[in-house]
Amino acid sequence: NAGVTQTPKFRVLKTGQSMTLLCAQDMNHEYMYWYRQDPGMGLRLIHYSVGEGTTAKGEVPDGYNVSRLKKQNFLLGLESAAPSQTSVYFCASSVPWGSSYNSPLHFGNGTRLTVT
Amino acid sequence: EDKVVQSPLSLVVHEGDTVTLNCSYEVTNFRSLLWYKQEKKAPTFLFMLTSSGIEKKSGRLSSILDKKELFSILNITATQTGDSAVYLCAVATSGNTPLVFGKGTRLSVIA
Repeated sequence: NAGVTQTPKFRVLKTGQSMTLLCAQDMNHEYMYWYRQDPGMGLRLIHYSVGEGTTAKGEVPDGYNVSRLKKQNFLLGLESAAPSQTSVYFCASSVPWGSSYNSPLHFGNGTRLTVT
Repeated sequence: EDKVVQSPLSLVVHEGDTVTLNCSYEVTNFRSLLWYKQEKKAPTFLFMLTSSGIEKKSGRLSSILDKKELFSILNITATQTGDSAVYLCAVATSGNTPLVFGKGTRLSVIA
């Protein structure tokens, strides 16, 4: 049982390049999320998904796109990377919010992205 | 707009000290408050609090929620260097919105 797995772990991009971050979970969770974490800023929600085929914007969605074609996968895309997107990206998953009080987020180990 | 504020933002203590981390919130339709510990990688879940006044405990860590005054505290007694981490507070609401996170408190425990 791997939980939430993110690939890659590290990546360096040049400004203007594109890339996709992959998140996979094996807990059959309905909900999945992408966060970015910057020093002093805490975790900020980029996009999230409440089910296969659905996505929604979070707090900081600009410059990112997402897709949830399969329940277990949630992809985060950067079409034209900018230095401001240098960050650590975390994927998370959970059961639906209303289903149980015992529904903390389960996080992946993060992807450290540097854009030069 | 829902808001979660943690204080202090950073803290340095010596091994054996007791620390108190604070989390206050202003949200619509509060459901629960969660504490996470983040060392080098993924945040790991510590506690979920839904009712006022009931202390949750796990070893040297404990937490309590005050729904009237809209805050929670996380206590760590007899701190160890392994307690060094960022501690994150998050609030869940009963609306159709994700968790709202605070900016975290960075705790450094020195020998």
